[in-house]
Amino acid sequence: KAGVTQTPRYLIKTRGQQVTLSCSPISGHRSVSWYQQTPGQGLQFLFEYFSETQRNKGNFPGRFSGRQFSNSRSEMNVSTLELGDSALYLCASSLRTGKTYEQYFGPGTRLTVT
Amino acid sequence: KQEVTQIPAALSVPEGENLVLNCSFTDSAIYNLQWFRQDPGKGLTSLLLIQSSQREQTSGRLNASLDKSSGRSTLYIAASQPGDSATYLCAVPYNQGGKLIFGQGTELSVKP
Repeated sequence: KAGVTQTPRYLIKTRGQQVTLSCSPISGHRSVSWYQQTPGQGLQFLFEYFSETQRNKGNFPGRFSGRQFSNSRSEMNVSTLELGDSALYLCASSLRTGKTYEQYFGPGTRLTVT
Repeated sequence: KQEVTQIPAALSVPEGENLVLNCSFTDSAIYNLQWFRQDPGKGLTSLLLIQSSQREQTSGRLNASLDKSSGRSTLYIAASQPGDSATYLCAVPYNQGGKLIFGQGTELSVKP
């Protein structure tokens, strides 16, 4: 089975622009979660989508949004980029087994805001 | 509020040593705990997942234990190799879903 894929892998944007990142989950996985990783804050949860509905949300401003399509692929969008949005953005897909959602991560998108 | 702590933040050992990485969490009502490995600039690789009903989980040279009552997990790496050099992260689910709370990680360096 193919793993989680993320596109693009690298991105350079200017302050004030917007960006869209894409994540394709492992086939059969219906849950997709997004995380932001920075040296100072570590890994922080952005949001989770399950069956096209946002199920969990982290403490990020409304500039960060996401969506999930019927094929479980997910996109996240960041509007009005700030320098502090420079980070590695990771998505993970998971499949429920009992009460457990074991998460599998993609390679990430490295976003640099200048 | 669930908080996850990992000690030490960094560890440097000579090749061949056995080592233990620690993870503690404040809320013992967890469904499972997952250990990951991250190489610099890369995504996370799942190493082991321990269910709340399990005490241990093993994969090759890796052994993870879980003590829910004390809010602790350990990752034991036997006969360490330079290729084990990476950051190791533990994470617990926030609820029954796809939100994980991560520790800050332990950066491991294994010297040849």
